[in-house]
Amino acid sequence: AQTVTQSQPEMSVQEAETVTLSCTYDTSESDYYLFWYKQPPSRQMILVIRQEAYKQQNATENRFSVNFQKAAKSFSLKISDSQLGDAAMYFCAYIRGYGGSQGNLIFGKGTKLSVKP
Amino acid sequence: NAGVTQTPKFRILKIGQSMTLQCTQDMNHNYMYWYRQDPGMGLKLIYYSVGAGITDKGEVPNGYNVSRSTTEDFPLRLELAAPSQTSVYFCASSPQSAGGRNEQFFGPGTRLTVL
Repeated sequence: AQTVTQSQPEMSVQEAETVTLSCTYDTSESDYYLFWYKQPPSRQMILVIRQEAYKQQNATENRFSVNFQKAAKSFSLKISDSQLGDAAMYFCAYIRGYGGSQGNLIFGKGTKLSVKP
Repeated sequence: NAGVTQTPKFRILKIGQSMTLQCTQDMNHNYMYWYRQDPGMGLKLIYYSVGAGITDKGEVPNGYNVSRSTTEDFPLRLELAAPSQTSVYFCASSPQSAGGRNEQFFGPGTRLTVL
């Protein structure tokens, strides 16, 4: 069974600094997708960034980028120039690329990010 | 577009009561999902649907039922509520696709407490 592990329950970063959130996953599949979701206090789940396993190039979205290490099954999120609005719970998630329980996102337990002014 | 909407936002139930959580999406997505999020945890899939009239169980289906009579609506029914069902419930939808190629869009969640 696939699993997603986030080993950092809480992280803190100074405004304008850079922070990296860790995520590892376990799967025997070759075709899958990885996501980082942000959940602010409003509870709304917001997609931050997505990575296709077949792409070697790391995904980037403005200040957000990932370090995808397929062999190590590692998928970390880097937030550059941190802003107060980045404070939230961040969830790493995995989904298989085909068949089975369609759309079954598997989530880690989350990392609570605090941003200090 | 309103996206994915859920009602109610909050609800307190007594043990043994029943209720239906409503979910509607206006994006014409074929795929819809129900997740629950327990305190300090990620989301877990309860049920999902790949189109009107088709539903299937996810990871934690016990104590719940769903139906999908239209593309837009995907209600979640709780029968005989138990304290273990205290959680935040999220509905999501995504365009028709194979596997995870498309983003799932989430509703704002319903916080349910069973006392």
